[in-house]
Amino acid sequence: QVTLKESGPALVKPTQTLTLTCTFSGFSLTSAGMRVNWIRQPPGKALEWLAHINWNDEKFFSTSLKTRLTISKDTSKNQVVLSMTNMDPVDTATYYCARSYSGSGGWFDSWGQGTLVIVSS
Amino acid sequence: EIVLTQSPATLSLSPGQRATLSCRASQSVSTYLAWYQQKPGQAPRLLIHDASNRATGIPARFSGSGSGTDFTLTISSLEPEDFAVYYCQQRTIWPPGYSFGQGTKLQIK
Repeated sequence: QVTLKESGPALVKPTQTLTLTCTFSGFSLTSAGMRVNWIRQPPGKALEWLAHINWNDEKFFSTSLKTRLTISKDTSKNQVVLSMTNMDPVDTATYYCARSYSGSGGWFDSWGQGTLVIVSS
Repeated sequence: EIVLTQSPATLSLSPGQRATLSCRASQSVSTYLAWYQQKPGQAPRLLIHDASNRATGIPARFSGSGSGTDFTLTISSLEPEDFAVYYCQQRTIWPPGYSFGQGTKLQIK
């Protein structure tokens, strides 16, 4: 059974850096074709893909946010970490991690429950 | 960046009726399109991938069609648990990337 769970601060101040961790089980990020993605959703709004990291450590980012994002993995801990710099109130959102796998077309077939991050002073 | 436009924004129907949701891409995405269902307080769930393929465990009343720029999600006979928000998503092969539509809220009439 594939599971993912996001963790991190619920509240961050403007200009601070947000660091979120996705801890997963049921698959390995060393398996060819595997990816972990980050997606966010402001309250009442649509989904926005942020970044993903591949099994071979390739990293890809949303064009609009690439200067603010970093992503890394720790395969020994089954974790992926996303950092976003210079947080602003407009970054208030639920942040999700999700698995994708080239064997299933690269779509997001398993998601975490999400973690709400509020940006406020 | 490819923009996905969903219509209608809200659809009000009764259980047992047929639902038709649309997604239009600003340029061709071939069949690289998926549909997700999201219920309040929950993460999205993959329903349809590659335009017309049902994901594992998805009931046969859900079907997808289309290619290029115009896509449709059809729910043949609405069940009470189908009332939710539906998002379409496209993926770009290179460089890898994704975008979502703004969603269609399917509500009980």
